[in-house]
Amino acid sequence: KQEVTQIPAALSVPEGENLVLNCSFTDSAIYNLQWFRQDPGKGLTSLLLIQSSQREQTSGRLNASLDKSSGRSTLYIAASQPGDSATYLCAVSGYSTLTFGKGTMLLVSP
Amino acid sequence: DAGVIQSPRHEVTEMGQEVTLRCKPISGHNSLFWYRQTMMRGLELLIYFNNNVPIDDSGMPEDRFSAKMPNASFSTLKIQPSEPRDSAVYFCASSLEQGRETQYFGPGTRLLVL
Repeated sequence: KQEVTQIPAALSVPEGENLVLNCSFTDSAIYNLQWFRQDPGKGLTSLLLIQSSQREQTSGRLNASLDKSSGRSTLYIAASQPGDSATYLCAVSGYSTLTFGKGTMLLVSP
Repeated sequence: DAGVIQSPRHEVTEMGQEVTLRCKPISGHNSLFWYRQTMMRGLELLIYFNNNVPIDDSGMPEDRFSAKMPNASFSTLKIQPSEPRDSAVYFCASSLEQGRETQYFGPGTRLLVL
């Protein structure tokens, strides 16, 4: 059974810092890996999707990497802003379903 | 497109009552997923449909839970009878193709069973 772990569970940084969120998974037989953002009381918004054949994806200040063989992914956020404050979830896709980590709660202070 | 639509957004009910949650997926998406999110267990897949057919319901906690998708634009998740431990946020999501494409989530239904 796939298990997804995210470290750290919570992170607090001052505005402007670059930061890295980590995700690890136990079964490397995945189709893709996704990073989502969840704001309090809201649904999930997809940020980046990395297919299993890819090594990284970039969108604006966000860069996600995937090392399938070691079961790891990182989400890099450059020049963090208070608006980045949210919970970030990593999810890996098997044949048909997503398995989620419990997320990293990020707080960026002005 | 309006995105995935869920109703109601909030539901407060008493133990033993029937609860029905509703979802309208994004038009053209052929996969639909129901998730439950709690602080203790995080986000868990309950059931998913492909082309209106239930494919995997192994995440449904027990027989009190049932889900239907009578057509491509509507799905329900029913809890009967409800219990306090069912209190959670229930999300519906849809995607173009199961497993390979981004899932788009609705805003969720926050359920409280007293």
